[in-house]
Amino acid sequence: GDSVTQMEGPVTLSEEACLTINCTYTATGYPSLFWYVQYPGEGLQLLLKATKADDKGSNKGFEATYRKETTSFHLEKGSVQVSDSAVYFCALSLSYAGGTSYGKLTFGQGTILTVHP
Amino acid sequence: DAMVIQNPRYQVTQFGKPVTLSCSQTLNHNVMYWYQQKSSQAPKLLFHYYDKDFNNEADTPDNFQSRRPNTSFCFLDIRSPGLGDAAMYLCATSRGSRVDEQYFGPGTRLTVT
Repeated sequence: GDSVTQMEGPVTLSEEACLTINCTYTATGYPSLFWYVQYPGEGLQLLLKATKADDKGSNKGFEATYRKETTSFHLEKGSVQVSDSAVYFCALSLSYAGGTSYGKLTFGQGTILTVHP
Repeated sequence: DAMVIQNPRYQVTQFGKPVTLSCSQTLNHNVMYWYQQKSSQAPKLLFHYYDKDFNNEADTPDNFQSRRPNTSFCFLDIRSPGLGDAAMYLCATSRGSRVDEQYFGPGTRLTVT
């Protein structure tokens, strides 16, 4: 079945360090890929997305490139801030034969990021 | 300005006492979803509506029910909450295609005593 695997966490960094959170997927067909962020006590927010191979999503200094050949969508940021501390979820969405996917998401397990001053 | 609104933000109920959580949206999206999320785990989809078409996940307990009286509102009913149902409940909406993101509400934190 379809699945998303994220790097083991938690991740602890100092402010201004570089961040990479690995995400790989298994899917039949051509998924869209998403990164969502969840701050403590809040719902999820879309951070960025890519809907086809080689697309690059970017937002707030974060970037991720849809790599079909390696089935990956790694999240990167060149210089993290304390305010980036949150849980990050990689997710995919597929269309299914015979009808719409209804936008259903398959999530990775989440990666907790803590950034220290 | 809020697009997906959940009420209440915090709900305390007693073991076995029915509880209803509500969600409303101003986005006019076709699809509304209910998720259960426990302690920084990934959200677990319980069910979703495409317009009035209800879609239950295979592993969602019968204890959980949902209603969608109109496009804007959706309710989650827990008929007999157990201690294991204590969690954050998230509502989300989407236009419903593969390329469309989901918009999440702030969640309702349910405590069962």
